[in-house]
Amino acid sequence: QQQVKQSPQSLIVQKGGISIINCAYENTAFDYFPWYQQFPGKGPALLIAIRPDVSEKKEGRFTISFNKSAKQFSLHIMDSQPGDSATYFCAAFSGGYQKVTFGTGTKLQVIP
Amino acid sequence: EAGVAQSPRYKIIEKRQSVAFWCNPISGHATLYWYQQILGQGPKLLIQFQNNGVVDDSQLPKDRFSAERLKGVDSTLKIQPAKLEDSAVYLCASSLQTGVGEQFFGPGTRLTVL
Repeated sequence: QQQVKQSPQSLIVQKGGISIINCAYENTAFDYFPWYQQFPGKGPALLIAIRPDVSEKKEGRFTISFNKSAKQFSLHIMDSQPGDSATYFCAAFSGGYQKVTFGTGTKLQVIP
Repeated sequence: EAGVAQSPRYKIIEKRQSVAFWCNPISGHATLYWYQQILGQGPKLLIQFQNNGVVDDSQLPKDRFSAERLKGVDSTLKIQPAKLEDSAVYLCASSLQTGVGEQFFGPGTRLTVL
């Protein structure tokens, strides 16, 4: 099963709040889990990524939490800013960077 | 460093017509990917090249889609004939090598099939 389920589909957060986006997967062969940020009219850009031997990774205001036993991972955006308004995709790779499955995306709107 | 270039940015065609998209990856990147992103969905990998060889084309609808990367640099993706359900953004991405390094995406080509 290659599917990656992402939720919520859309999210509205006040400026300064915490945005949380969740993903779940079935295939235990996945070994690399990135999050991408996509602005309208642009291609996705890598935001942050994690491997399954680590439970959490933080880069600035962005944190990935990874639960291997539950086969779930999430993106937390602390102190959300209007400039964070974009669509966020989780993805899962297997075989290194060989096979990739993307989630369905979450449209985040941060309101002032 | 120049990013991944794609053209055209937008294309509108009638169903049953043909269309071609062009991609020029980042210089030195051996691996090139074509994705289809339907509105409201995540990108779906269509085909992956390593230099001028195909690594994975398992999700490419081969009865109507074709892609080539003859000299191992730029690539073209063709649809012939187009169907209404082909309306999507077609994204090209590149990486240093298969299994190595981040994928960098181009801005995409938005195709509308009427």
